[in-house]
Amino acid sequence: ETGVTQTPRHLVMGMTNKKSLKCEQHLGHNAMYWYKQSAKKPLELMFVYNFKEQTENNSVPSRFSPECPNSSHLFLHLHTLQPEDSALYLCASSHPEGSGGNNEQFFGPGTRLTVL
Amino acid sequence: AQSVTQLDSQVPVFEEAPVELRCNYSSSVSVYLFWYVQYPNQGLQLLLKYLSGSTLVKGINGFEAEFNKSQTSFHLRKPSVHISDTAEYFCAVTSNSNSGYALNFGKGTSLLVTP
Repeated sequence: ETGVTQTPRHLVMGMTNKKSLKCEQHLGHNAMYWYKQSAKKPLELMFVYNFKEQTENNSVPSRFSPECPNSSHLFLHLHTLQPEDSALYLCASSHPEGSGGNNEQFFGPGTRLTVL
Repeated sequence: AQSVTQLDSQVPVFEEAPVELRCNYSSSVSVYLFWYVQYPNQGLQLLLKYLSGSTLVKGINGFEAEFNKSQTSFHLRKPSVHISDTAEYFCAVTSNSNSGYALNFGKGTSLLVTP
């Protein structure tokens, strides 16, 4: 596969469930991102990882827990979510400025999450 | 810090008509600017980008944008739209002196092309 892939593409879960979203990039990038896209709202940056280190946590509730085991993989662990967490979760990767890049971000297709 | 304002939340247009989607940014330093497109139920795809050099940037699918530093704008244009251009369009900005790594996105403009 090429580019940025995300699994699953669709997920329905109850508020007491625990699930994980997976993102994988095949572009050799150093930085990876999680965004939340809700209906009628702008893209919200959630987390940024650069060289596997978290560099930004945009005041995200603790029921969202990111994990970046290496520069190619990014996970978002979910537990005790609320219905308002239903959204499209997008993963992206880039070569950030300072690593020879210009921070052009490449996006995956997203995971459509529904919390019942 | 940088920010982006997309002045129009929705732009309806007839097929084969020209279109302009407006984007203004605020920044005290040099910027990189991007336009992304999102088709229904898909992720974001890069249309074009301005890094430096020529202020007129050409992208995919016949789109172009012009960087205007004095007006702090980066409007997206297409001379003749197709039904398939119906999508959400996002303008984004980052800086070459940005201590972080993230893009700042606008709220998006929904382009609706009708026959």
